[in-house]
Amino acid sequence: DAKTTQPTSMDCAEGRAANLPCNHSTISGNEYVYWYRQIHSQGPQYIIHGLKNNETNEMASLIITEDRKSSTLILPHATLRDTAVYYCIVRWGSSNTGKLIFGQGTTLQVKP
Amino acid sequence: GAVVSQHPSWVICKSGTSVKIECRSLDFQATTMFWYRQFPKQSLMLMATSNEGSKATYEQGVEKDKFLINHASLTLSTLTVTSAHPEDSSFYICSARERQGAILAKNIQYFGAGTRLSVL
Repeated sequence: DAKTTQPTSMDCAEGRAANLPCNHSTISGNEYVYWYRQIHSQGPQYIIHGLKNNETNEMASLIITEDRKSSTLILPHATLRDTAVYYCIVRWGSSNTGKLIFGQGTTLQVKP
Repeated sequence: GAVVSQHPSWVICKSGTSVKIECRSLDFQATTMFWYRQFPKQSLMLMATSNEGSKATYEQGVEKDKFLINHASLTLSTLTVTSAHPEDSSFYICSARERQGAILAKNIQYFGAGTRLSVL
């Protein structure tokens, strides 16, 4: 599976959009981009995933560049409860195992 | 999203004893379940992958005789930490993949709330 690179930490003002970048320059055609977050002392929570088209759900939007080498997770109106570690993971879409391997993620601190 | 229940949420045990952690998918069938371990201020580390009815596949460096995994049904997987020692103290998290279709990528992986194990 391709490796991802994320900033270690980011701050965001409450009510503003939080834009979390992820680089995955070695991604291959069969690999999807997944985003999870982990609030302190809890299990990871699924946010969104995509292949090449932009995706949106009730939690967030995922913008994937045309060359698929990077993506951005957008939380449109961040709240204090969005403070968490956000993980960007690339995983095979056609593998029977399809393991999610976690990197260090980005610690997002939403401030009042 | 689908719900994965993990029990217990916190366990304290004496060194040398065994501890069993249960992981259940409450509203979906999980043909594949995963077990992770997380030490303080570190990321999740995958320990093993289990498929219903077959032996678990362990990641490199994980002792299969120490961390026994059983995936006897489509909704239940258990992790038993045998002869636990203080260095096994950690946050153990299970995950289950919901199968929604033939394309693996659409099968989202959901996580339990985790079990904090403290070995005295």
